[in-house]
Amino acid sequence: QSVLTQPPSVSGAPGQRVTISCTGNSSNIGTGYDVHWYQHLPGTAPKLLIYGDTNRPSGVPDRFSGSKSGTSASLAITGLQPEDEADYYCQSYDSSLSGYWVFGGGTKLTVL
Amino acid sequence: EVQLVESGGGLVKPGGSLRLSCAASGFTFSIYNMNWVRQAPGKGLEWVSSISSSSSYIYYADSMKGRFTISRDNAKNSLYLQMNSLRAEDTAVYYCAGGRGYSYGLDSWGRGTLVIVSS
Repeated sequence: QSVLTQPPSVSGAPGQRVTISCTGNSSNIGTGYDVHWYQHLPGTAPKLLIYGDTNRPSGVPDRFSGSKSGTSASLAITGLQPEDEADYYCQSYDSSLSGYWVFGGGTKLTVL
Repeated sequence: EVQLVESGGGLVKPGGSLRLSCAASGFTFSIYNMNWVRQAPGKGLEWVSSISSSSSYIYYADSMKGRFTISRDNAKNSLYLQMNSLRAEDTAVYYCAGGRGYSYGLDSWGRGTLVIVSS
């Protein structure tokens, strides 16, 4: 059971917009700690997509955007492309006794 | 080009030990906080351990405390993970990942090394 909760799967057709939610609590996202998002294709290195809630590293298309409110964060992908099909993970810091970095359980994006 | 290359994975019996290494190049390793993150078969990413740039701060996930030891050698641009008392549930791909701090995420990742714990 992950500390951060993501939907197991989302899907959309090419060109559509999808969002992936990440729900935490008062010891992580709710405290205001930054949320980061990663894209992971099997057999490859995970890739940082969004850092500090809303910022894109250089080279990441502006089709990817992040937002945060209260104890939740979201990743939005517009203009879906076949190559976006991957697993997506949110991450934050957790201040509980057993915490530090915590990841969401991951969301499989299927491009129909 | 930023590169992180993990090595040292393999098959080990329950209760055994393994030492993973991560060789870094293409960036200033000595200013990065470094981490190990793992992914068990069919599961998501799980944070394992973190070490600050100067090794002053070290953290472990609860299930790894007392069994795993993270270390680094900035002169060799290398990160290590000593894993003892290995269990079947430690079977996973182990990734080396680096970041500049809490607010910046983990911007550099290796492709991982597979550890299988089985008799």
